[in-house]
Amino acid sequence: EDKVVQSPLSLVVHEGDTVTLNCSYEVTNFRSLLWYKQEKKAPTFLFMLTSSGIEKKSGRLSSILDKKELFSILNITATQTGDSAIYLCAFYGGSQGNLIFGKGTKLSVKP
Amino acid sequence: DGGITQSPKYLFRKEGQNVTLSCEQNLNHDAMYWYRQDPGQGLRLIYYSQIVNDFQKGDIAEGYSVSREKKESFPLTVTSAQKNPTAFYLCASSITGTGRGANVLTFGAGSRLTVL
Repeated sequence: EDKVVQSPLSLVVHEGDTVTLNCSYEVTNFRSLLWYKQEKKAPTFLFMLTSSGIEKKSGRLSSILDKKELFSILNITATQTGDSAIYLCAFYGGSQGNLIFGKGTKLSVKP
Repeated sequence: DGGITQSPKYLFRKEGQNVTLSCEQNLNHDAMYWYRQDPGQGLRLIYYSQIVNDFQKGDIAEGYSVSREKKESFPLTVTSAQKNPTAFYLCASSITGTGRGANVLTFGAGSRLTVL
């Protein structure tokens, strides 16, 4: 059965800290791995990763994929209160060729 | 501005009543999706449609129904057969239903349904 496992499920840090969110997967027919940020309602797209070892970067956020070990990490440096959100990892592929989401990591950044 | 509009944002219903959630997109996307989100459960796929007049069941389709009569619209009906309908419902779309265009979803702001 295809699955995506995120850890930790929740995390509380202080402004300025660096955090690493984890996403591991067991899938058939892997095509890509995606990260989304959900602050209140609509998840917004962060990164799509298809190749191992190539870091995607956007400001203080970065992500990398390891297709051999079947995991991805999302790093956030110098966290701000505006980074507080649920971060969702999803992979595209599987037997039906749909996006399959993990349960998310709830990040709380305290001032 | 292009995007996805879901309505209503909040909805209350009594047990035994059907309710329809609206989802409209003006992105000219071929594929549309409905997800359910419960606390600690992530997003679970209810139904998806890769093209007009066609749709497929997702992982938790029981107690739900959909239609795709127009490219822009993909309404979801939560029927009385759904045993635990209280949840946050998200509609999404993608450029295509398969291939690279299916990877990145654009989401609506969601509809929160509460059954009293």
